[in-house]
Amino acid sequence: ETGVTQSPTHLIKTRGQQVTLRCSSQSGHNTVSWYQQALGQGPQFIFQYYREEENGRGNFPPRFSGLQFPNYSSELNVNALELDDSALYLCASSLEADLYGYTFGSGTRLTVV
Amino acid sequence: KNQVEQSPQSLIILEGKNCTLQCNYTVSPFSNLRWYKQDTGRGPVSLTIMTFSENTKSNGRYTATLDADTKQSSLHITASQLSDSASYICVVGRIYTGTASKLTFGTGTRLQVTL
Repeated sequence: ETGVTQSPTHLIKTRGQQVTLRCSSQSGHNTVSWYQQALGQGPQFIFQYYREEENGRGNFPPRFSGLQFPNYSSELNVNALELDDSALYLCASSLEADLYGYTFGSGTRLTVV
Repeated sequence: KNQVEQSPQSLIILEGKNCTLQCNYTVSPFSNLRWYKQDTGRGPVSLTIMTFSENTKSNGRYTATLDADTKQSSLHITASQLSDSASYICVVGRIYTGTASKLTFGTGTRLQVTL
């Protein structure tokens, strides 16, 4: 059984650029949730995808978007990057929208300069 | 407002000692409460998950308690080891839509175990 894998592990972007982060869900999981974790803070919910549909969204602007593919892997896209977007981005997969607990990936560390 | 508050913010203990971390929440309607261990720069790893009807759950040297009436939880670590040094995050899930449970994360307690 494979766990949740995220890529890339680290990324440096310039303010105003666009970025795509990727997440492969754990085998058998059909739900992916994305979180932003600033340094010293708890993760903040961005959105969740369940069976390729958005299934809940946190308090993030529309320049944060995502999608889920038929194999349940997912992408997080952020447009017009701002300095405050610098954070650890975590992906978590689960079965049936969190009934059976989350498995987190190791995250992507995004630095915006 | 749905909130999860943890205390203390940070803690330093000697190897071999016990410690207890606290979590208070105002999340409603309550679905479940989880404790995660997060090493620096890594994703959180689940320690325990408790539903409304459970008031204690153990995972090795980690024991979590839940009082759903007072909306409090604790994580007790027994005979601490250097490898226990990490952030411990309390996460409360609420029923969001259908079967989806929206999670509210605490900011964590940073534990450092020293010699």
